[in-house]
Amino acid sequence: DVKVTQSSRYLVKRTGEKVFLECVQDMDHENMFWYRQDPGLGLRLIYFSYDVKMKEKGDIPEGYSVSREKKERFSLILESASTNQTSMYLCASRGQGREKLFFGSGTQLSVL
Amino acid sequence: GNSVTQMEGPVTLSEEAFLTINCTYTATGYPSLFWYVQYPGEGLQLLLKATKADDKGSNKGFEATYRKETTSFHLEKGSVQVSDSAVYFCALKVTGGGNKLTFGTGTQLKVEL
Repeated sequence: DVKVTQSSRYLVKRTGEKVFLECVQDMDHENMFWYRQDPGLGLRLIYFSYDVKMKEKGDIPEGYSVSREKKERFSLILESASTNQTSMYLCASRGQGREKLFFGSGTQLSVL
Repeated sequence: GNSVTQMEGPVTLSEEAFLTINCTYTATGYPSLFWYVQYPGEGLQLLLKATKADDKGSNKGFEATYRKETTSFHLEKGSVQVSDSAVYFCALKVTGGGNKLTFGTGTQLKVEL
């Protein structure tokens, strides 16, 4: 079975800190995604990547950047964390031409 | 643009009750439709899908029919169990444009004994 692993389950950071959220998948998937999940808003796409070094903005990219240096790893970066970035962050991956998304178990980020 | 509208939760049912969670969509083109489920403390998992009009997706006793005429994909289960307590997300994907999934806001289901 595909495994999508997010490095931290809970993370607490201070306003202005640089934050890295890491995601690793073990099934050689080309496509990887970062979502944030907020009550009443569902999942919103932040960034996605088709392949190594490729990235595309999703629906809410402001305040975020991403890095995909290796196929299995997709990192989400908050350059200067703000309190409105407190959220659950979900990473997902999908094989090329496939429809099923595989999700990690999420990172609950609190920015104080 | 593309959007998904789900009924608001939480939905609270007794065990063995009938479940319906409504989902309607707006899409450019012909979408594929999905239901994902998120159990407490876990990421989302694909529950079922349908790729064209009149298709019925089914899994674990859940089913949903792709209704193009009403732009709907309602989730149903005849007899829910406590273990079905979770958050359910309806989603769509339109070919092209990055093949991105657009999710609804999610509906929390609580099943009580």
